[in-house]
Amino acid sequence: AQSVAQPEDQVNVAEGNPLTVKCTYSVSGNPYLFWYVQYPNRGLQFLLKYITGDNLVKGSYGFEAEFNKSQTSFHLKKPSALVSDSALYFCAVRDSHGNNRLAFGKGNQVVVIP
Amino acid sequence: DSGVTQTPKHLITATGQRVTLRCSPRSGDLSVYWYQQSLDQGLQFLIQYYNGEERAKGNILERFSAQQFPDLHSELNLSSLELGDSALYFCASSASGDRVGGNTIYFGEGSWLTVV
Repeated sequence: AQSVAQPEDQVNVAEGNPLTVKCTYSVSGNPYLFWYVQYPNRGLQFLLKYITGDNLVKGSYGFEAEFNKSQTSFHLKKPSALVSDSALYFCAVRDSHGNNRLAFGKGNQVVVIP
Repeated sequence: DSGVTQTPKHLITATGQRVTLRCSPRSGDLSVYWYQQSLDQGLQFLIQYYNGEERAKGNILERFSAQQFPDLHSELNLSSLELGDSALYFCASSASGDRVGGNTIYFGEGSWLTVV
């Protein structure tokens, strides 16, 4: 079955420093990978996705993610974190073998310290 | 704004009762998904409809049911409610329910259900 793992519960980073949120995946076929962000008392907002092609994917709000097939990872990155980036981040995967539902990780709380 | 509309935003009800959550997908989207978010279970896929037909089923309890209407809006019915059903229920939509493809799934703001 398809799954993702987000190993860290919380990521603390100082404002202006690089932000990385880790995600590893497990699928039976080619992966379709997604990142979503959830602000307090809000819904899930789509950030970016990897389907095929360039391993570096650029998304909303200055975020990007790097797909690494050998390490089965899809880490989310931002060069310079803002206080407003403090939120809950979810990695999700869908495989290409007929299962079109998204499987989500447990989420990572990101806290950007002013 | 994702374009997915959910009502009500908040709902408080007693155990044993029945509630209906409503979802309007993004304009043109044929596929609707329901997810449940709780502290202990995280984000769990419940069910998917595509153009009025059930397409996939996840961890949905027998007390729960859903449907998608001809105008593509969807309803999630929760009955015989228990305290443990308290959660945030998300509706999401995508352009298609194709088995192969990287269609983005867009989520609504969610319906907060509290069972007391």
